[in-house]
Amino acid sequence: DIQMTQSPSTLSTSVGDRVTIACRASQSLSGWLAWYQQKPGKAPKLLIYTASTLQSGVPSRFSGSASGTEFTLTISSLQPDDFATYYCLQYHSYPYTFGRGTILEIK
Amino acid sequence: EVHLVESGGVVVQPGGSLRLSCAASGFSFDDYTMHWVRQAPGKGLEWVSLISWDGTSTYYADSVKGRFTISRDNGKNSLYLQMDSLRTDDTAFYYCARDSGECGGDCFPADWGQGTLVTVSS
Repeated sequence: DIQMTQSPSTLSTSVGDRVTIACRASQSLSGWLAWYQQKPGKAPKLLIYTASTLQSGVPSRFSGSASGTEFTLTISSLQPDDFATYYCLQYHSYPYTFGRGTILEIK
Repeated sequence: EVHLVESGGVVVQPGGSLRLSCAASGFSFDDYTMHWVRQAPGKGLEWVSLISWDGTSTYYADSVKGRFTISRDNGKNSLYLQMDSLRTDDTAFYYCARDSGECGGDCFPADWGQGTLVTVSS
């Protein structure tokens, strides 16, 4: 199975900060990676797929990139609505696997 | 608008069985692969299973293989998860999700229901 190592597990940040969350895959994903945002008590929301394609309706301050087996989610200027937990998901191979999540908390 | 409503979550004893359902509306159900994803209380997301649009292909997480069975009834726009030999570590919110349909086959969960809670406890 493909292992997804997500970091950091928690990030204390402030409104306006530039935030970067990373996921490293244990093998090549050929870009088949998605990012999700989840708020407490809610279902996850798709943000990005194929590593860098922004889902319709998602603000442009969110972006994704890839370099080999390293994937990055960037929020260019953190807004109050962005404090949440973020997960990466590899869908290159079965079984699909999520990263362990990154909690963005207010500093 | 895509609408997914899970049901069937209850408290069940270890070793017991349970069937979850997901009622779909707002899209052509039989055009899409469907997923189940779960989340233990206070923990991260775990992908559980998927089923192709016609039900001929299914895949499972290692943790549920041989105990859970995914199925669908396209005539009823419904997705199911039969859960047998339940264990305490199966306690979780179970979400059904519609595939994105972006890959020309199985892809990633794009639209999610609100989840149903399964508690396995004696």
